[in-house]
Amino acid sequence: KNEVEQSPQNLTAQEGEFITINCSYSVGISALHWLQQHPGGGIVSLFMLSSGKKKHGRLIATINIQEKHSSLHITASHPRDSAVYICAVLVSYNTDKLIFGTGTRLQVFP
Amino acid sequence: DAGVTQSPTHLIKTRGQQVTLRCSPKSGHDTVSWYQQALGQGPQFIFQYYEEEERQRGNFPDRFSGHQFPNYSSELNVNALLLGDSALYLCASSFRFRTNEKLFFGSGTQLSVL
Repeated sequence: KNEVEQSPQNLTAQEGEFITINCSYSVGISALHWLQQHPGGGIVSLFMLSSGKKKHGRLIATINIQEKHSSLHITASHPRDSAVYICAVLVSYNTDKLIFGTGTRLQVFP
Repeated sequence: DAGVTQSPTHLIKTRGQQVTLRCSPKSGHDTVSWYQQALGQGPQFIFQYYEEEERQRGNFPDRFSGHQFPNYSSELNVNALLLGDSALYLCASSFRFRTNEKLFFGSGTQLSVL
């Protein structure tokens, strides 16, 4: 079993829909990152969370440390949101080692 | 301010050859981490360099080695290439003791082993 699991693996939506991507992890962490990867490979950091909730534009990320679970929400989705969304956890303050989920491929159709 | 830069962007090699990939960290960063991303998978941690030394290592064989230079740039070397080494190789940089910060990745080097 992977230490970081994401669901769903694939997601299709119509423009304007509300999107939720989930991430569960089984290790102790000091932080969790949500990343966006477009075709071609480049990865962009969306959020870094250690507790609570963060919002940036139409994106919202939440984390529940006790339940070892995080969600990424996209409100009013748009075709330009189509990408792979990856959850990555920082195992501890000392190791700086990131463990990545396998990603959720999102396609938003007009 | 340049972000993380990687070169080359694409590379084709044959089995048994050796390859060197390069990464320049974002300005102000002193730590470089390397990741391997197979098609359809999430990145896997290879190793991390800080102060010109390998500080952390993932579950990769000794065929994977690296180096960090005094200007903080880094190289990833892979010897005796196997078909399974075909992947996107990503580099990320950070400032060592600011671990709870936004991550910065390069665009990656796509390695194909034939």
